[in-house]
Amino acid sequence: GNSVTQMEGPVTLSEEAFLTINCTYTATGYPSLFWYVQYPGEGLQLLLKATKADDKGSNKGFEATYRKETTSFHLEKGSVQVSDSAVYFCALRTLSNTGKLIFGQGTTLQVKP
Amino acid sequence: EAGVAQSPRYKIIEKRQSVAFWCNPISGHATLYWYQQILGQGPKLLIQFQNNGVVDDSQLPKDRFSAERLKGVDSTLKIQPAKLEDSAVYLCASSTPGLALNTQYFGPGTRLTVL
Repeated sequence: GNSVTQMEGPVTLSEEAFLTINCTYTATGYPSLFWYVQYPGEGLQLLLKATKADDKGSNKGFEATYRKETTSFHLEKGSVQVSDSAVYFCALRTLSNTGKLIFGQGTTLQVKP
Repeated sequence: EAGVAQSPRYKIIEKRQSVAFWCNPISGHATLYWYQQILGQGPKLLIQFQNNGVVDDSQLPKDRFSAERLKGVDSTLKIQPAKLEDSAVYLCASSTPGLALNTQYFGPGTRLTVL
């Protein structure tokens, strides 16, 4: 079945450090891939998405590239800020499953000044 | 544009009691989703509506959970009777019709604690 696996957290970084959060997926067909972010006390927000192989999604300095050969969609940011502290969720959606999102377990990022 | 509204934000009940959650989607969004997010896990779809019809309820524990979406706008999710393992955040999301490309917008969630 379809599934998403994320790296274990929490990830603790100093401000301006480089961030990578790994995400791999298993899916039938050609899924769309997403990163959502959940700030403390808030709902999930779409951070970026990619709908086909080799697409790069980007937003707010974050990037992720859809790698079909490695079934991965790793999230990266060159220089994190304290305000990036949140929980990050990788998710997939296939055309065959009515549009529902299938999420990974989430990775908590803590950025220290 | 107003976002997805949910109420209450927090609810504490004892096991075997009943509880109901309310969701008001973004105006014009025909598709509405209820997800359950257990602590330390990603959200899991419980039920999906297209207007007032159910599209997917395969993961809904139908012996205790029910949901409705009258008139294709607001939705209510009910649990009766609640169990300890129902403690979670219940998220409502909405989107415009379509499958692969339309963004789902999430509400702030209702945090349920079952004692």
